[in-house]
Amino acid sequence: LAKTTQPISMDSYEGQEVNITCSHNNIATNDYITWYQQFPSQGPRFIIQGYKTKVTNEVASLFIPADRKSSTLSLPRVSLSDTAVYYCLVGRNSGGYQKVTFGTGTKLQVIP
Amino acid sequence: NAGVTQTPKFQVLKTGQSMTLQCAQDMNHNSMYWYRQDPGMGLRLIYYSASEGTTDKGEVPNGYNVSRLNKREFSLRLESAAPSQTSVYFCASSRDGSYEQYFGPGTRLTVT
Repeated sequence: LAKTTQPISMDSYEGQEVNITCSHNNIATNDYITWYQQFPSQGPRFIIQGYKTKVTNEVASLFIPADRKSSTLSLPRVSLSDTAVYYCLVGRNSGGYQKVTFGTGTKLQVIP
Repeated sequence: NAGVTQTPKFQVLKTGQSMTLQCAQDMNHNSMYWYRQDPGMGLRLIYYSASEGTTDKGEVPNGYNVSRLNKREFSLRLESAAPSQTSVYFCASSRDGSYEQYFGPGTRLTVT
């Protein structure tokens, strides 16, 4: 699976839009991209998944360019409760299970 | 629905002791996973099970064994604990064809 590279940390003020970019240069044709959020002392929580172009749900948007070598998670109008670690994953469905690789994630600190 | 549950929440072992971490899910998922997360790191896959009765090694299986007892339960056993196994252990499950994994709250294990 392709390795992912993300910024180690980011700071943002409350109410701003936050964009976290992830690089996955060696992504394969069948691979998909997911993002997870993790609060301290909790398990990761799924945010959004995409294959190409743009995907939006109630909490975030995911932008994937045509070459799929990167992706950007966009969080609109962040609040203090969005302070967490965000993981970009490249995954593949393999024989019924999901094969994914977690990187070290981006620690987002939202400032009042 | 409780989702994914794990027991115990915390455990301290001495080097050489054995223990079993329990995981159960009530979402009727076929696939289940065991990950470990070391401080400041992403999650690494220890073992996975694509369906009842099957298990396979992940990225870091050495020192661990697993049992898929039935569709609901997937246990992780440390036969002879070592300090290098000090970590937080997460169990997860996923539905066939879905890109989302559901994680439990984790077990914080310390080996002295």
